Amino acid sequence: ETGVTQTPRHLVMGMTNKKSLKCEQHLGHNAMYWYKQSAKKPLELMFVYNFKEQTENNSVPSRFSPECPNSSHLFLHLHTLQPEDSALYLCASSQVGGVGGTEAFFGQGTRLTVV
Amino acid sequence: AQTVTQSQPEMSVQEAETVTLSCTYDTSESDYYLFWYKQPPSRQMILVIRQEAYKQQNATENRFSVNFQKAAKSFSLKISDSQLGDAAMYFCAYRSALSGTYKYIFGTGTRLKVLA
Repeated sequence: ETGVTQTPRHLVMGMTNKKSLKCEQHLGHNAMYWYKQSAKKPLELMFVYNFKEQTENNSVPSRFSPECPNSSHLFLHLHTLQPEDSALYLCASSQVGGVGGTEAFFGQGTRLTVV
Repeated sequence: AQTVTQSQPEMSVQEAETVTLSCTYDTSESDYYLFWYKQPPSRQMILVIRQEAYKQQNATENRFSVNFQKAAKSFSLKISDSQLGDAAMYFCAYRSALSGTYKYIFGTGTRLKVLA
């Protein structure tokens, strides 16, 4: 397995459910990201982790809870979501500092539908 | 705060022709990186090309090239000899080069249609 892998690809959940999105990167990067992609809106940065430490939280509602147990894995725990949270959730990783490129590498995303 | 603007929601191009996608950005920083990403229906964002702001020479990658105008804060993407596989959403993105800054800021995207 190479690159950035996200599971599941699709998720339908009720507003009272609890679910988690998983992201794994096999690139040896030190930064990981969650982005939300809604129709006709820019990609919204949700969270950034650098070496497992959260460096950015873009005023995301507490019903979204990130977890980064190590520099290769990133989770997004979901609970009591609203229908407007339905979107494509993208995970990305990058190498910040040191030797390496400057671009972010993305997973294929999880299409989340809240019913 | 930095912003990225893509003013063309949708563009069309004939196969084998050339098309240019526009991107402008706003920043007070002097050192940063700019990117063009492609998102096909498979949804995975793929890097097309990147440009370091300190480099005056425009980046090129095969059929893809950029016109980077730092003073005008403009970063357009030119696709030559367009192919059906180029059809996708294209996103322009900015990242600061400041130490300790990790976030990528994206525009709203341009949907490119390639006509056979």
